[in-house]
Amino acid sequence: RKEVEQDPGPFNVPEGATVAFNCTYSNSASQSFFWYRQDCRKEPKLLMSVYSSGNEDGRFTAQLNRASQYISLLIRDSKLSDSATYLCVVTPSVQGGKLIFGQGTELSVKP
Amino acid sequence: DGGITQSPKYLFRKEGQNVTLSCEQNLNHDAMYWYRQDPGQGLRLIYYSQIVNDFQKGDIAEGYSVSREKKESFPLTVTSAQKNPTAFYLCASIPLLGSTEAFFGQGTRLTVV
Repeated sequence: RKEVEQDPGPFNVPEGATVAFNCTYSNSASQSFFWYRQDCRKEPKLLMSVYSSGNEDGRFTAQLNRASQYISLLIRDSKLSDSATYLCVVTPSVQGGKLIFGQGTELSVKP
Repeated sequence: DGGITQSPKYLFRKEGQNVTLSCEQNLNHDAMYWYRQDPGQGLRLIYYSQIVNDFQKGDIAEGYSVSREKKESFPLTVTSAQKNPTAFYLCASIPLLGSTEAFFGQGTRLTVV
């Protein structure tokens, strides 16, 4: 089983659509969880942190379910500029270890 | 400003040569990581280090070497043993305690000519 598994893409959606990405992780001792956005040929940029209580930033909502070891990202009212690859990221436990990325889900928002 | 710096941004290597990619951070982060990304693919872990003078192999360490002589620096050498080195290389760092996100360098695009 992969340490982090992410929904395979690509997702092709029209402008204004709502789209959800999901990620599961295997290490229950993992500390922190994030969603990153990566544009073509660039480094990943932090989109938002993920908390058990949920985290909302404008059109973006992230959620963590520690019991199920599952994180999600919801994008409402998709814009053309949301087209990118979205990566879930799991940080190691306090004892250290790998910083693990999901394989990424490509989103293409069409007019 | 604190951050993580990779250099060079673009690098060309002749077959059979070793090349070294630089990664420096002034964030006082404990852990540093090197990833490789091929077109249309995810990030694959090459090596990582959590303390000075110690590092661990990632999933694709063959043909690469690293050192961690200083907390701020984690250079990656792509050796001639790496048969297909053309890729985008990313360096990242995080503290081991706390919930802060990972910081990335801008990446190095290595091409074999």
